[in-house]
Amino acid sequence: QKEVEQDPGPLSVPEGAIVSLNCTYSNSAFQYFMWYRQYSRKGPELLMYTYSSGNKEDGRFTAQVDKSSKYISLFIRDSQPSDSATYLCAMEPQGAQKLVFGQGTRLTINP
Amino acid sequence: EPEVTQTPSHQVTQMGQEVILRCVPISNHLYFYWYRQILGQKVEFLVSFYNNEISEKSEIFDDQFSVERPDGSNFTLKIRSTKLEDSAMYFCASSVGSRSQYFGPGTRLTVT
Repeated sequence: QKEVEQDPGPLSVPEGAIVSLNCTYSNSAFQYFMWYRQYSRKGPELLMYTYSSGNKEDGRFTAQVDKSSKYISLFIRDSQPSDSATYLCAMEPQGAQKLVFGQGTRLTINP
Repeated sequence: EPEVTQTPSHQVTQMGQEVILRCVPISNHLYFYWYRQILGQKVEFLVSFYNNEISEKSEIFDDQFSVERPDGSNFTLKIRSTKLEDSAMYFCASSVGSRSQYFGPGTRLTVT
């Protein structure tokens, strides 16, 4: 079983839709959870960082962590064409100094 | 807004040659990292660096790889003898604490 699983998509939705992106993980040592956005041939851009189970909101973005189910989500409200990118989940084990990434989900928002 | 910078943006080299990839992390950051992303694959951790020494490395980071912080602002990744399979995007990242890592734009390394 892969440490971090993420559906690569592609996912295509109309402008204004609510987007749900998800990752599952198997390693209980993961304690910190991040979402990155990556445009084509660019570096990952940090969107959200969470530690505990629950929700964290930042503008149109909400990150959700359920440690009991080993499941994390990113919701994008009122999606815009500029949100079209690959979204990467990343996780950091307790006491480690590295991120373990998911495969990334390619998202397209259609005007 | 401060950002991580990397040079060059694209490096082409022949198999067996040495390459040095350069990064300037965000100035008040203390932790530095290298990752790579082979085309179509996930971003993979190579090495983390703190307090002038390697704090963690992956199995990819073998004796062919080394890192250095030569002058207090630059952070470099050296590949001693490149192989075809080293072709990838190499990302430098930095952070204040050991999380919330900020990534540079990457160096595309092509080994021919």
